[in-house]
Amino acid sequence: KQEVTQIPAALSVPEGENLVLNCSFTDSAIYNLQWFRQDPGKGLTSLLLIQSSQREQTSGRLNASLDKSSGRSTLYIAASQPGDSATYLCAASNSNSGYALNFGKGTSLLVTP
Amino acid sequence: DVKVTQSSRYLVKRTGEKVFLECVQDMDHENMFWYRQDPGLGLRLIYFSYDVKMKEKGDIPEGYSVSREKKERFSLILESASTNQTSMYLCASSSEYDSPLHFGNGTRLTVT
Repeated sequence: KQEVTQIPAALSVPEGENLVLNCSFTDSAIYNLQWFRQDPGKGLTSLLLIQSSQREQTSGRLNASLDKSSGRSTLYIAASQPGDSATYLCAASNSNSGYALNFGKGTSLLVTP
Repeated sequence: DVKVTQSSRYLVKRTGEKVFLECVQDMDHENMFWYRQDPGLGLRLIYFSYDVKMKEKGDIPEGYSVSREKKERFSLILESASTNQTSMYLCASSSEYDSPLHFGNGTRLTVT
């Protein structure tokens, strides 16, 4: 079974900093990898999806990279803002899990003004 | 925008009751999923479905069943609710295997 790990579990940064969130996975034969944001008490919002054939995806201030050989993905957030405060989760899918996503436990991000 | 609607935001049930959690999506998505989310354990997959009347077990199907009679609706059933099923339940849908997953806002179920 695909295991997904996110480090650190929590992170606090001052506004304006660039930051990197890390995600690692055990099975490099992934189908795709997705990054999500979750605000307290809410569902998850899809941020970026990287296909197995891709190396990175960008949306605004967010950039996600994928390195299958090392089993790692990173989410880069440029010029962080207090509104970026949330929990960020990564998830990977494999054919042997029926293509359903296996989630990490998330990184809780606090951006202070 | 894709909308995934879960019928109840909060639900309180008694041990032994049969509980139905409903989820409806409005984008004609093929794939639908039920997860539960618990502190320290993250999101765990309960069941998923790739088509009407089809279902696949996820990682923790014990104590649950599902129904997908129509493409837009995926129901999670707790046959006999127990206190260890107190959790946040999240429904999600996607159009294809390589499409983003869209989540509802969740149902926080408390079993007393």
